[in-house]
Amino acid sequence: EVQLLESGGGLVQPGGSLRLSCAASGFTFSDYTMGWVRQAPGKGLEWVSAIRSVGSTFYADSVKGRFTISRDNSQNTLYLQMNSLRAEDTALYYCAKGRPGGSFDCWGQGTLVTVSS
Amino acid sequence: DIQMTQSPSTLSASVGDRVTLTCRASQSISSWLAWYQQKPGKAPKLLIYKASSLEGGVPSRFGGSGSGTEFTLIISSLQPDDFATYYCQQYTGYPLTFGGGTKVEIK
Repeated sequence: EVQLLESGGGLVQPGGSLRLSCAASGFTFSDYTMGWVRQAPGKGLEWVSAIRSVGSTFYADSVKGRFTISRDNSQNTLYLQMNSLRAEDTALYYCAKGRPGGSFDCWGQGTLVTVSS
Repeated sequence: DIQMTQSPSTLSASVGDRVTLTCRASQSISSWLAWYQQKPGKAPKLLIYKASSLEGGVPSRFGGSGSGTEFTLIISSLQPDDFATYYCQQYTGYPLTFGGGTKVEIK
């Protein structure tokens, strides 16, 4: 069974940093594109970032230059390093497994990031 | 960036109704479209990929159609478990974008 377990969320002050992790199991992690999607409280889904199996990375304009996605295929873990956090980054952050093509066929339960002073 | 627009934003329907949700892209995305279902407090669930392909385990009352810029998700006979918010997502290229969602409510 495919499982994705996010961790690392919490309360951080504006300008601060957090690193999210996503532990994957139940599939060959190194074969798949992985991504992060966030959802602000009461709002819709917003794609944040993706990393292909070969390591190429992609970012939404809203986080480019502040967030860095990475993966450790030996540990089956996906990361999102978030720097220079802003109030508008407050959201539930989901880790998602990419289906060939670009949709996401499995999602974690999310980790909540709150940016507030 | 490609903008995705869903309509209506809210839909009130009864159990057994045939329900049609619409998603429009700001430019052609061929068939690179997915539909997700999200229930309150839960992660999204993939229903449809490549505009019309049903994800494994998804009931056959869900169907997707369309190509280019106009897409629909049809629920042939609405069931109690189907009351949720539905999102479309284009994946013709990065950045990936989602529609704003359609909430299906009990009438």
